[in-house]
This record gives sequence, C-alpha cells and structure tokens, in this order.
Amino acid sequence: GQQLNQSPQSMFIQEGEDVSMNCTSSSIFNTWLWYKQDPGEGPVLLIALYKAGELTSNGRLTAQFGITRKDSFLNISASIPSDVGIYFCAGQASGNTPLVFGKGTRLSVIA
Amino acid sequence: GAGVSQSPRYKVAKRGQDVALRCDPISGHVSLFWYQQALGQGPEFLTYFQNEAQLDKSGLPSDRFFAERPEGSVSTLKIQRTQQEDSAVYLCASSLGMTIAPLIYEQYFGPGTRLTVT
Repeated sequence: GQQLNQSPQSMFIQEGEDVSMNCTSSSIFNTWLWYKQDPGEGPVLLIALYKAGELTSNGRLTAQFGITRKDSFLNISASIPSDVGIYFCAGQASGNTPLVFGKGTRLSVIA
Repeated sequence: GAGVSQSPRYKVAKRGQDVALRCDPISGHVSLFWYQQALGQGPEFLTYFQNEAQLDKSGLPSDRFFAERPEGSVSTLKIQRTQQEDSAVYLCASSLGMTIAPLIYEQYFGPGTRLTVT
C-alpha cells in the first residue's frame, strides 16, 4: 500500500539538541498528523494540522503543514531522554478517511 | 479505561489456524479503523466502520481476512487459515467522526495485538 516518504529514517542526537524530521507525498492531503510510538504500544497523537501553511506547537514540538499540501515537518526543541521513540507522519485525504503513514523516524537521545 | 483497548495483546498461532482479534473503541466513537503494522514499517490501512457499516475494506490483503462490528461498538478482526506473512501488529483506532469539524476525525490508537504465525 501507499506510504509517505519520511526522513531521516533514524537519528542519534545529544540531549538538549533540536531535532527536525519531514514527510513528503505525491498526493495532496487535507490533514497532516504526527504520532509517536513507543515499543509495544500503539501510536500516540502529538499534533494535528488542518490548513495549508499552518504552524502548530505542542510544548517543545512544532509542526507545519506545507503550502503545497504535499509535505509536513516536525521539530522537537531541547530534546530529552523521554523523546526516544519512533515518530510517524500521517496524511488524511479528507474527512473521516483512513490515514496513510510514513515509515517512521527512529529517534535516539544520548544523555 | 478511557482509551482504545485491544485483546489479546499477543497471539501465537500455528499456520493454518484461525484467529480473532478484538477491539473496544473509545466510548461514543462512531468510526473504527483497523491497520496492520509490519516490523519496521508504518501502519497500513485494512478496513473501517462507521457505526456497524463497513465503509471500506479495500486494504484487506485477502479473503482470509474478515472484520465485523455488529452493534456499532466492539469490533473483531478475524483471520482464517493464518499464514506466516500475516505475522504483524494489528492496530485498532477510533474517532468521533460524525460531524464536519476536523478535530473529531482525529484517530486514537489502541496498544495493538502482536500476531506471530509459526
């Protein structure tokens, strides 16, 4: 099935550093979402974006919905050890429709 | 609890066995989605329901996969004659999903059922 292009695949960073990851698609989406998944758990919703150009923050997390509606990025500022996990972007074509996910970015934080 | 729950959390099946995976959505959530997550991949859509109606089953990989939600609440994903390639984590998500406000389309996931077919 279709998956979004998410990069980087993995990152190793020092505690306190900022992190940036992004997601691109060949199709337009009307909603972009970012999830975090810990081992053995389901994805947890971090941020949802509903309008092209929208910039939304949730604590140390900031995400943007690209103008073309084909991309999104997620920034994490001042990373801490509990930020470790796999981050997934997801696009939603319209309304109450299935999500299309990226392959994930695995984040490791070195204390 | 208040979240989506799934059972069992882990299931080991011998090739050829049938399995049934259960999802309890968040109370009051109209829409329910099933996804399959292979190791190292993002979740992929299988099927979804609005109340008891199955609106899209285009992601089901074969006719061995069957899902139901007879009373519009609990859902069961059944896999008949399991094969090794069915080994994956099966995730269930629910959303309020009945009006036009975008917030209520946000999907909340359960912890998943890890299926291993030997």
